[in-house]
Amino acid sequence: AQSVAQPEDQVNVAEGNPLTVKCTYSVSGNPYLFWYVQYPNRGLQFLLKYITGDNLVKGSYGFEAEFNKSQTSFHLKKPSALVSDSALYFCAVRDLFSGGYQKVTFGTGTKLQVIP
Amino acid sequence: GAGVSQTPSNKVTEKGKYVELRCDPISGHTALYWYRQSLGQGPEFLIYFQGTGAADDSGLPNDRFFAVRPEGSVSTLKIQRTERGDSAVYLCASSLTPDGTDTQYFGPGTRLTVL
Repeated sequence: AQSVAQPEDQVNVAEGNPLTVKCTYSVSGNPYLFWYVQYPNRGLQFLLKYITGDNLVKGSYGFEAEFNKSQTSFHLKKPSALVSDSALYFCAVRDLFSGGYQKVTFGTGTKLQVIP
Repeated sequence: GAGVSQTPSNKVTEKGKYVELRCDPISGHTALYWYRQSLGQGPEFLIYFQGTGAADDSGLPNDRFFAVRPEGSVSTLKIQRTERGDSAVYLCASSLTPDGTDTQYFGPGTRLTVL
């Protein structure tokens, strides 16, 4: 069974400071990893994904994430936080076996609060 | 281009009533997914369609929940004899193919409130 853990319910960061939102995963095979952002009363918006290759993945709005296989982590990062980044962030994983459909499992979300 | 759309955006119903929630995926996307998101939780998988057929319905909580996708595009999630515990945001997503590398794109959701 696959699972995702987001250990922090909320992360507070000052505007202009770097931010990190943590995610760890557990899968049987090789993982596909995703980050989504959710603004109030809106659906999930895709930010970035790791499939294979370079461990540092760059995504939308200046976000990036680093895949660390030994630590089974996929932390979301941004060098300089904006107030508009304040939202709910979800990490998700797909456990790849031999291709084809695999269910996506989401974490419980981390609320990011950027303080002006 | 147009994203995933869902109607209605809000639905309030009484316990015991029947409801239908509609999802219109991105044009050309063959795979469609329904999720349920309760307050303070991440989305939980309900059902997945590849084309017209439900390829995986293992997430449906019980037989009061049913979904269809008769022409391989629009999907309807149907809930019979609604209960207060069914109150949640129901999210629909679509992807170009069901391949694990393909991104799922989400709609804005339908907030269901059962009184």
